[in-house]
Amino acid sequence: GQQVMQIPQYQHVQEGEDFTTYCNSSTTLSNIQWYKQRPGGHPVFLIQLVKSGEVKKQKRLTFQFGEAKKNSSLHITATQTTDVGTYFCAGIGGSYIPTFGRGTSLIVHP
Amino acid sequence: NAGVTQTPKFQVLKTGQSMTLQCAQDMNHEYMSWYRQDPGMGLRLIHYSVGAGITDQGEVPNGYNVSRSTTEDFPLRLLSAAPSQTSVYFCASSRTVPPYGYTFGSGTRLTVV
Repeated sequence: GQQVMQIPQYQHVQEGEDFTTYCNSSTTLSNIQWYKQRPGGHPVFLIQLVKSGEVKKQKRLTFQFGEAKKNSSLHITATQTTDVGTYFCAGIGGSYIPTFGRGTSLIVHP
Repeated sequence: NAGVTQTPKFQVLKTGQSMTLQCAQDMNHEYMSWYRQDPGMGLRLIHYSVGAGITDQGEVPNGYNVSRSTTEDFPLRLLSAAPSQTSVYFCASSRTVPPYGYTFGSGTRLTVV
């Protein structure tokens, strides 16, 4: 079955540093979604990418979908304490059921 | 709009007890699903439904039942609770089958002793 690997599992950064999390699928995806979960909270949908090579930006967040549609990344520029949380990718392949990665927990030190 | 409402927020069960986790959405979403979240394991799909009267199993369905008699409600039943079912449970919905983004409920933290 489809597997979605996400690295790293944890990332500690100093406030102001950049952060990147990577998502890799064992199969070609049709779409990929990204979610953020604050500590003690629930996942919140951030964005969906559908096109090969697509790049989308939301303020300091940049999302990329690989050319082969098997990998994706989320990059945060100049992290802030409000960025703390776990970031999940969810890959959607032949079935319409998203497969979630295990998430990357971002810890920002002031 | 309330979005996706889950009750209860916290629950402690004894091994062997049964209970129902409630999930209701007021967005007229066709697609609903249940996930469990365990430390380091991400979100694992238990059951899902693409519309009233239609349900299917996800990755980890054993020990759980669901039904979808209305568009709004999608309860999750634990038949005979086991300590391995200690987890945080999230209900999620989307307008129709993905790839629309999910709206998640606030979760139910379940402990089975």
